[in-house]
Amino acid sequence: EVQLVESGGGLVQPGGSLRLSCAASGFTFSSYSMNWVRQAPGKGLEWVSYISSSSSTIYYADSVKGRFTISRDNAKNSLYLQMNSLRDEDTAVYYCARVDTAMVIDYWGQGTLVTVSS
Amino acid sequence: DIQMTQSPSTLSASVGDRVTITCRASQSISSWLAWYQQKPGKAPKLLIYKASSLESGVPSRFSGSGSGTEFTLTISSLQPDDFATYYCQQYNSYSSLTFGGGTKVEIK
Repeated sequence: EVQLVESGGGLVQPGGSLRLSCAASGFTFSSYSMNWVRQAPGKGLEWVSYISSSSSTIYYADSVKGRFTISRDNAKNSLYLQMNSLRDEDTAVYYCARVDTAMVIDYWGQGTLVTVSS
Repeated sequence: DIQMTQSPSTLSASVGDRVTITCRASQSISSWLAWYQQKPGKAPKLLIYKASSLESGVPSRFSGSGSGTEFTLTISSLQPDDFATYYCQQYNSYSSLTFGGGTKVEIK
């Protein structure tokens, strides 16, 4: 069974940093591209970042470019999101999500809440 | 970036109704479109991919159609478990994925 478990969320002050992790199991993690997608409270879904299976291709949404860094450790079956210079508008539930061979996002974690507030 | 516009934003319907949700892309995305269902406090669930392919395990009352810029999600006979929010998403280019604004299906 595919499982994606996020961790690392919490309350942080504006300008602060946080590192999210996503532990993957139930599939060959190193063969799949991954994404981070977020959802502000009561709002819709917003794609944040993409990383290919070998980390050779990385993309970011304009809203986080230069502040967030996606990475992965295939030996540890883990995906990461380093978030710096956090803003109020980064407050959201952050999901890690797998890209299947048909290039669609097929599995999502349960999410971790990041709250940016003073 | 490709913009995705969903309509309606809210839909009131009864059990047994046929429901249609529309998603429009600002430029052609061929058939690179997915539909997700999300319930409160839960992660999205994939229903349809490549515009019309039904994800394994998803009931056959869900169907998708369209290509280019116009897409629809149809629920042939609404069931109590289907009251949720639905999102379309284009994956024509992973350099900039985008979601529609969502359609909340409510009980009439």
